[in-house]
Amino acid sequence: KQEVTQIPAALSVPEGENLVLNCSFTDSAIYNLQWFRQDPGKGLTSLLLIQSSQREQTSGRLNASLDKSSGRSTLYIAASQPGDSATYLCAVRRNTDKLIFGTGTRLQVFP
Amino acid sequence: NAGVTQTPKFRVLKTGQSMTLLCAQDMNHEYMYWYRQDPGMGLRLIHYSVGEGTTAKGEVPDGYNVSRLKKQNFLLGLESAAPSQTSVYFCASSLHQDSLNEQFFGPGTRLTVL
Repeated sequence: KQEVTQIPAALSVPEGENLVLNCSFTDSAIYNLQWFRQDPGKGLTSLLLIQSSQREQTSGRLNASLDKSSGRSTLYIAASQPGDSATYLCAVRRNTDKLIFGTGTRLQVFP
Repeated sequence: NAGVTQTPKFRVLKTGQSMTLLCAQDMNHEYMYWYRQDPGMGLRLIHYSVGEGTTAKGEVPDGYNVSRLKKQNFLLGLESAAPSQTSVYFCASSLHQDSLNEQFFGPGTRLTVL
């Protein structure tokens, strides 16, 4: 059974820091991995999607990497800003259409 | 495009009452999903649909029913609500099953069952 774990569960950093969020999964047979952002009381916004054949994806200050063999993905946020404060979720897609979600990392960036 | 919309946004039910949550998408997506989100447990798939007229069970389907009579709508029903169904419910849609299958989410419905 695929399990997705995110560490740390919560993170508080000062503005301007570069930071790394971690996601690990137990079954390397995935189609893709998706990183989402969730603001309090809101839905999920897709940030980056990495296909199983890719090693990384970049969007602005965000960079996500994927190492299927070790069952790990990282989300790198450069020069963090208070507006980055949110919960970040990773989800893996198995060989079906279903996503398996991690429990998220709650990030707070303070001025 | 409105994307994925959900109604209602909030609802309070008494145990045993029934209700239907509506999800609509205007992106002509084939696939639609219902998830529930509970503290410390992440999002879990309740039911999903791979096209108009089809539905399938997800990870936690008990106590829920769904229908996909029109391609753009996916309904989630609770026939007899229980306190264990207090949760935030999210609907999502995706174009079709391929290597991307990026899912787009609605804003959620917060349901409390007393």
